[in-house]
This record gives sequence, C-alpha cells and structure tokens, in this order.
Amino acid sequence: GESVGLHLPTLSVQEGDNSIINCAYSNSASDYFIWYKQESGKGPQFIIDIRSNMDKRQGQRVTVLLNKTVKHLSLQIAATQPGDSAVYFCAEIITGTYKYIFGTGTRLKVLA
Amino acid sequence: NAGVTQTPKFRILKIGQSMTLQCAQDMNHNYMYWYRQDPGMGLKLIYYSVGAGITDKGEVPNGYNVSRSTTEDFPLRLELAAPSQTSVYFCASTNPGQGVYEQYFGPGTRLTVT
Repeated sequence: GESVGLHLPTLSVQEGDNSIINCAYSNSASDYFIWYKQESGKGPQFIIDIRSNMDKRQGQRVTVLLNKTVKHLSLQIAATQPGDSAVYFCAEIITGTYKYIFGTGTRLKVLA
Repeated sequence: NAGVTQTPKFRILKIGQSMTLQCAQDMNHNYMYWYRQDPGMGLKLIYYSVGAGITDKGEVPNGYNVSRSTTEDFPLRLELAAPSQTSVYFCASTNPGQGVYEQYFGPGTRLTVT
C-alpha cells in the first residue's frame, strides 16, 4: 500500500470538471518551477515547467500560472480524468544551484 | 533506455545495521540526486552530485553517505540505521543543458528500520 500522501491536503473533483491545484513557494530568488505528478508506488513524473519571466504556460490539458508577487503557483487540469488521480508536487529551483525544493503536495481524487 | 533504476525495491533493516541503496541511470546525465519522502511530506534532498567525483550535501544528509565514481552510478550508504530513516528513497537525474531542468526519477526504495 501507499504510505505517501496519507496526510496531504486533498482535492476531490468530479470527472470532466477542471481542477486547480495551488502551491506557495518559499524563495523569492527561485526562477524556475516544475509541477510533478506522483502515482501510487511510483516516482514523481514531470508534467510542466515555467520560468520566472513568464506568468502562464500551457501544455496538453494543463496550464501553469505563476504569480511572483505573492510567490504562488497553480496547476490547472482541464476535463479531469480518472487517470489524473495522483499526488501533485510543485518544485522551485534557483538556476545555477541545481537544488530542487519540493512542496508538500496535494492529493487529487477524481470522482466518477 | 531503462532510465533511472533503483535496487532494492523494499528492505527491512534492524537498528544499527548498514546497507547501500543502489541507483543507476543510462541517460548520461551529469546531475544525480537522492531524496527521502516521509508519509504526508514532500521530497527532502539528502545528497546530490554534479558529476563523477563530485558530491554535496542536501537538506538532510546526517546518517547517510554517497559516492560518485562513475557517471552512471550514485549509491547511497546508510550506516547504523535508525527508525528515523524509515522512509521511501528516490534517486533522480537530470542534465540541465539548454536550460531544461526536468528530473527523471527512479521507482523508489521503501525502507523500514525496526
């Protein structure tokens, strides 16, 4: 069984609805951000990234928004599917240091 | 490519025992990382390496050691295991060429110390 994510904040979304997952980052010097998806029993998997000189980036069904003023990231998933159920992490990086700082994560549950 | 591989998948250790967690990548990545993930928590960086022969401490290095004799391998050594080291351990690698910082993760090693 999975031990990761037992006490994480949980977002429950109806299948087909849009999901918004939020992340507050800690270091105002961070200039690169990544969203990861972690399914049960697996390592984190890259979803989308964004640089600090951007405030929005879109991928396939996913959009990341960056608000540097309040040090906030969000991940929007359009038309959420059962396969989107997982724990989602944001990570911040100061380029040149190559150290990644991960947020606590949010569990997304997709309701049929 | 196999990507990032980790062995073993599971291990139970007694307090005071030692073990080495293996990590290998076949993508010729220079940068490799070891993280631990406790229940309900994010990933904490233990050690990282920017190339063969170079290692550096992360946030939580105490109780661990690493070596990087080749580009491919980055083993993590636990000496004198303690219950506080019960966790899931992930190895990752990346090659930040052209400003892309995507990390590739292994499947993890679930370690229990009793």
